[in-house]
Amino acid sequence: AQTVTQSQPEMSVQEAETVTLSCTYDTSESDYYLFWYKQPPSRQMILVIRQEAYKQQNATENRFSVNFQKAAKSFSLKISDSQLGDAAMYFCAYRSVYADGLTFGKGTHLIIQP
Amino acid sequence: GAGVSQSPSNKVTEKGKDVELRCDPISGHTALYWYRQSLGQGLEFLIYFQGNSAPDKSGLPSDRFSAERTGGSVSTLTIQRTQQEDSAVYLCASSLDGGTGGRETQYFGPGTRLLVL
Repeated sequence: AQTVTQSQPEMSVQEAETVTLSCTYDTSESDYYLFWYKQPPSRQMILVIRQEAYKQQNATENRFSVNFQKAAKSFSLKISDSQLGDAAMYFCAYRSVYADGLTFGKGTHLIIQP
Repeated sequence: GAGVSQSPSNKVTEKGKDVELRCDPISGHTALYWYRQSLGQGLEFLIYFQGNSAPDKSGLPSDRFSAERTGGSVSTLTIQRTQQEDSAVYLCASSLDGGTGGRETQYFGPGTRLLVL
């Protein structure tokens, strides 16, 4: 079974600065999908960014980008120009091409200091 | 509606009672998923529907849990004889198609917070 590890339970960053959230995963599969979801206090899980394992190019979505290192099984999220609205729990998730559900990490609580 | 909706938003019940949690997926989404989020276990995948069919129910925590989906749309997660360890947030998600390709992104609802006293 796959596992996803987020080693930072909490991170704090000054507004307008850049922060990187770590995620590593364990799998024997070569094709899979990786996601970062954001969960604010409203509980709604919001997709931030996704990455297909077969793509070498790192995904980017405006201020959000990933550093996908397939050999190292690492999938970190970089948030540039942090904004107060970025404060939330961030979850890294893995989806096998052979399974239906997502496997989530324990999450990182991101605090934005004004 | 524009997104996945879930009801009720919050539910408080007494131990031993049955509860029903409802999920209304994004219009046109054929795949539907249930997850449980608790402090101790984090986010756990429970069950997946493709249309009205749930091919694998092994993720349900016990035989007190059941789920159904009718008309390829709304789904209900039922917990019978609730226990205190069932207290959690139950999240529903939907996607355009499930299958085994894994390409489809899952969009989540706001969840139902269940508290069993």
